[in-house]
Amino acid sequence: SAVISQKPSRDICQRGTSLTIQCQVDSQVTMMFWYRQQPGQSLTLIATANQGSEATYESGFVIDKFPISRPNLTFSTLTVSNMSPEDSSIYLCSVLTSGSTDTQYFGPGTRLTVL
Amino acid sequence: AQTVTQSQPEMSVQEAETVTLSCTYDTSESNYYLFWYKQPPSRQMILVIRQEAYKQQNATENRFSVNFQKAAKSFSLKISDSQLGDTAMYFCAFMRPGTASKLTFGTGTRLQVTL
Repeated sequence: SAVISQKPSRDICQRGTSLTIQCQVDSQVTMMFWYRQQPGQSLTLIATANQGSEATYESGFVIDKFPISRPNLTFSTLTVSNMSPEDSSIYLCSVLTSGSTDTQYFGPGTRLTVL
Repeated sequence: AQTVTQSQPEMSVQEAETVTLSCTYDTSESNYYLFWYKQPPSRQMILVIRQEAYKQQNATENRFSVNFQKAAKSFSLKISDSQLGDTAMYFCAFMRPGTASKLTFGTGTRLQVTL
């Protein structure tokens, strides 16, 4: 499995501001994903980050609110824009590696609190 | 659409004992993957075990094993010789090949291991 890091690990933000979360992998991966986990809830897929092209968003998530970049095969960012308290969640990235095309491995997550 | 159901919101087990977590799913597919992930208070999602639907043999990983009943669409996790470090949320997840590797998660079971 790959070693995945996320920055920041946690943050407290004011409503109306934006936060960019970084996901870095120690090796090239085939696919990268972003999930949201609201307090006490399960994980919900936000989007698939595509290298060199626009992300593929799930129903209920839009690019204007959650812009995603993936400039290369080891790095992706998720921005949470114009935040409100309802955006308070854990945000996790996950990856598929070329050696494991059917099992996702997760980063440590970013805990976001919006006041 | 696939659904994953975990009917036990919380469970408790004494150290060194055995506990079984339940998971059922709904799909019309014949080929798919099933996973158990563990999320301790650190919030990192850790892969515990995976099962390929076309394999009849139940997967095992050290103290963790599954009881995969394909006809019944059941995928329970058995933890033997429970340890305090097993205290965590446990999520069952389903993935259908050819769906861009999207995971569908259950709502989770909170397991507390006590002395």
